Amino acid sequence: SQTIHQWPATLVQPVGSPLSLECTVEGTSNPNLYWYRQAAGRGLQLLFYSVGIGQISSEVPQNLSASRPQDRQFILSSKKLLLSDSGFYLCAWSYRGNQPQHFGDGTRLSIL
Amino acid sequence: AQSVTQLDSHVSVSEGTPVLLRCNYSSSYSPSLFWYVQHPNKGLQLLLKYTSAATLVKGINGFEAEFKKSETSFHLTKPSAHMSDAAEYFCVVSELTGGGNKLTFGTGTQLKVEL
Repeated sequence: SQTIHQWPATLVQPVGSPLSLECTVEGTSNPNLYWYRQAAGRGLQLLFYSVGIGQISSEVPQNLSASRPQDRQFILSSKKLLLSDSGFYLCAWSYRGNQPQHFGDGTRLSIL
Repeated sequence: AQSVTQLDSHVSVSEGTPVLLRCNYSSSYSPSLFWYVQHPNKGLQLLLKYTSAATLVKGINGFEAEFKKSETSFHLTKPSAHMSDAAEYFCVVSELTGGGNKLTFGTGTQLKVEL
């Protein structure tokens, strides 16, 4: 069966520090991969998605970036975090086509 | 463009009574629709999906939803609520794009289950 792992589960970072969140998928090949942010009391916002290695589509302009160095690895990064980057970050994967996405357990990011 | 409206931000029921969470959608094409559940500080878990097959869809944990094209609705129901059902529920419409698919999420319905 397929599983998705995100780490860390929680992270507290100072403003201006860098960020790297990692997501890996097991049990499937060539998945579509997604990064979302969920701000407190609000819905999910799609940040990035990838349909293959090195292929990244950005949905919103911001100081975050994403990379897919391997087929089942998706990384969310920032060079300098802002207070507004606080939130709950979720990684997801799906098969090709109009299929549901399957989510990891998320990373709670707090910026001080 | 697609959109989703969850008509109730909070729903409160007694344990053992029926649950109804309402969702209306707008989509240019024949949509795929999903319901997800999210427990506190957890990711989203897929409850059920509609992808143009049977209009009455059965999901996990006794939930089901009916796709009604004429009403552009996809309401989630359960005959008898359990305490463990207390969580936030998201109605989602899916659209194909560039090899992947984009999900548009409703704003969520917080379900409270009381003794």
